Amino acid sequence: AQSVTQLGSHVSVSEGALVLLRCNYSSSVPPYLFWYVQYPNQGLQLLLKYTSAATLVKGINGFEAEFKKSETSFHLTKPSAHMSDAAEYFCAVSVWGGSQGNLIFGKGTKLSVKP
Amino acid sequence: DAGITQSPRHKVTETGTPVTLRCHQTENHRYMYWYRQDPGHGLRLIHYSYGVKDTDKGEVSDGYSVSRSKTEDFLLTLESATSSQTSVYFCAISEGTSFDEQFFGPGTRLTVL
Repeated sequence: AQSVTQLGSHVSVSEGALVLLRCNYSSSVPPYLFWYVQYPNQGLQLLLKYTSAATLVKGINGFEAEFKKSETSFHLTKPSAHMSDAAEYFCAVSVWGGSQGNLIFGKGTKLSVKP
Repeated sequence: DAGITQSPRHKVTETGTPVTLRCHQTENHRYMYWYRQDPGHGLRLIHYSYGVKDTDKGEVSDGYSVSRSKTEDFLLTLESATSSQTSVYFCAISEGTSFDEQFFGPGTRLTVL
């Protein structure tokens, strides 16, 4: 069965520092992978998605993620954090069939950005 | 922004009462989903629909039922609310293929006293 593990429920960085949010997946078939962001008191919005076209995926707001099959990882990065990046980030893997619908989400990583 | 609305946005109710949450979309997407979000658990799928009158259970479906009589509306019902159902509920929609993103509504914060 597919699953997603996000390492670190809270990550804190200084403004201007590198952001690295970790996501590892488990899938018996080639996965589709997604990163979503949730700002306080809002729904989730898509940052980027991997659909096998390219291993390095660029998303909105300067974020990117690299699919590494050998490491079963899809870590999210941003070279320079901004205060507005403070939010909760969710990694998700696409499944099909069974009773689990379409996406399996990780538990989320809350990003704090210090001035 | 995808046209998804949820109503009500906030609700406080008492244990044992029935509660219905509504999700309405204007995108004509085939798939609709109900999730609950709880601290430390991320988002967990309750039920989903793959067409009018076609629904299936998700990971945490006990105590919940759904109905979809029109493409645009997906209702989530708590037949007899319990305190463990206090949560934030999100509706989502998608075209439905494995690589399609899901678009999320603004959420409903439900408190069961």
